[in-house]
Amino acid sequence: QQQVKQSPQSLIVQKGGISIINCAYENTAFDYFPWYQQFPGKGPALLIAIRPDVSEKKEGRFTISFNKSAKQFSLHIMDSQPGDSATYFCAAKGSRRGRSEKLVFGKGTKLTVNP
Amino acid sequence: DTAVSQTPKYLVTQMGNDKSIKCEQNLGHDTMYWYKQDSKKFLKIMFSYNNKELIINETVPNRFSPKSPDKAHLNLHINSLELGDSAVYFCASSPSSYPYEQYFGPGTRLTVT
Repeated sequence: QQQVKQSPQSLIVQKGGISIINCAYENTAFDYFPWYQQFPGKGPALLIAIRPDVSEKKEGRFTISFNKSAKQFSLHIMDSQPGDSATYFCAAKGSRRGRSEKLVFGKGTKLTVNP
Repeated sequence: DTAVSQTPKYLVTQMGNDKSIKCEQNLGHDTMYWYKQDSKKFLKIMFSYNNKELIINETVPNRFSPKSPDKAHLNLHINSLELGDSAVYFCASSPSSYPYEQYFGPGTRLTVT
């Protein structure tokens, strides 16, 4: 129940295309769903996050779509650029009695955007 | 200004040695974490401290011992290093209020030979 399943494991997209990464979860107590971007040799960086009471959140070329009933959420990268080539992690977190629970990560998607 | 910093960035050592990794955050956060990222890039939480109190302690060998001297610092000490400890270790911090956004440090690549 603590798992977050992420797919695909790797993704190759042409410059200008749309990159889509999907995640699914089981634990309905999760109330925060962030996406992290990690470049080689760097730490994961928070990219965008969503709460379950919102179905979509957009920040620039990055959009999270959230389907509460299906317990799925996805990251869409519009107009993908070679500079977006990185590993992307979805994650989920809940809280209990006002205290933060641990952040559970998906296994990551390696995105390659070809020029 | 670096928000979450770790030292050292690289650590190469032999089996059986003891080593420490240090972490500092200047974000004013109450909670700090240690994560391990293996060769397959999987991120797994090891420990979490909130205001110097240990709140998350995953199934980690006793050879790993975190220490938080104050809420801005969280160190990780590893005794009797083994080959399987080779990984990248990330420190992170977050506020103690929703949504508890976590910010990661640059990582420490530990190689045990």
